[in-house]
Amino acid sequence: DIVMTQTPSSQAVSAGEKVTMSCKSSQSLLYSENKKNYLAWYQQKPGQSPKLLISWASTRESGVPDRFIGSGSGTDFTLTISSVQAEDLAVYYCEQYYDTPLTFGSGTKLEIK
Amino acid sequence: EVKLLESGGGLVQPGGSMRLSCAASGFTFTDFYMYWIRQPAGKAPEWLGFIRNKANGYTTEYNPSVKGRFTISRDNTQNMLYLQMNTLRAEDTATYYCAGGLYWGQGVMVTVSS
Repeated sequence: DIVMTQTPSSQAVSAGEKVTMSCKSSQSLLYSENKKNYLAWYQQKPGQSPKLLISWASTRESGVPDRFIGSGSGTDFTLTISSVQAEDLAVYYCEQYYDTPLTFGSGTKLEIK
Repeated sequence: EVKLLESGGGLVQPGGSMRLSCAASGFTFTDFYMYWIRQPAGKAPEWLGFIRNKANGYTTEYNPSVKGRFTISRDNTQNMLYLQMNTLRAEDTATYYCAGGLYWGQGVMVTVSS
């Protein structure tokens, strides 16, 4: 199985600050034939189901604010929130869909100071 | 508007069986892979499996952690997705989600306890 490791497990920031979180995979998620990274980011707010924010490592889904930025390739990926808002309080998960079983990281909990 | 609505959860004894259902609407059901994912309280989601779309013959893939105990099926005439769970264990206790396209349902709780 591909192991997904997310760091940090939690972080607290003030509104307006920039935050970055990391996701590393135990093997490359870059498919050579199409040059796509099979990596997604989800946001799970308290009491809600996960919501897809970003697919293919850097493609924001429709309606996702542009302050959410996905980057990285191969085995190292980053989710950046350029200016955190109070409503961004959530746990953020990365997920690989390069191979089955699909696997998730353990999450980064974002707290707002 | 895409809607995914799970049902069928509740309390079941260890060793028992349960079938979850997911009613889908707002998209062309047969075009999409459909997934089951579960999430124990306070933990990360775990992918259980998927059933492919019409173009890929509606075949299935499972997480080895549940393969042989769980079965995913779909009724394309009713836009329904199912998860049959057998020989349930305490560690199967979780919120179970169906997902399709870009969306997840709101989830249904399954508790395995005597």
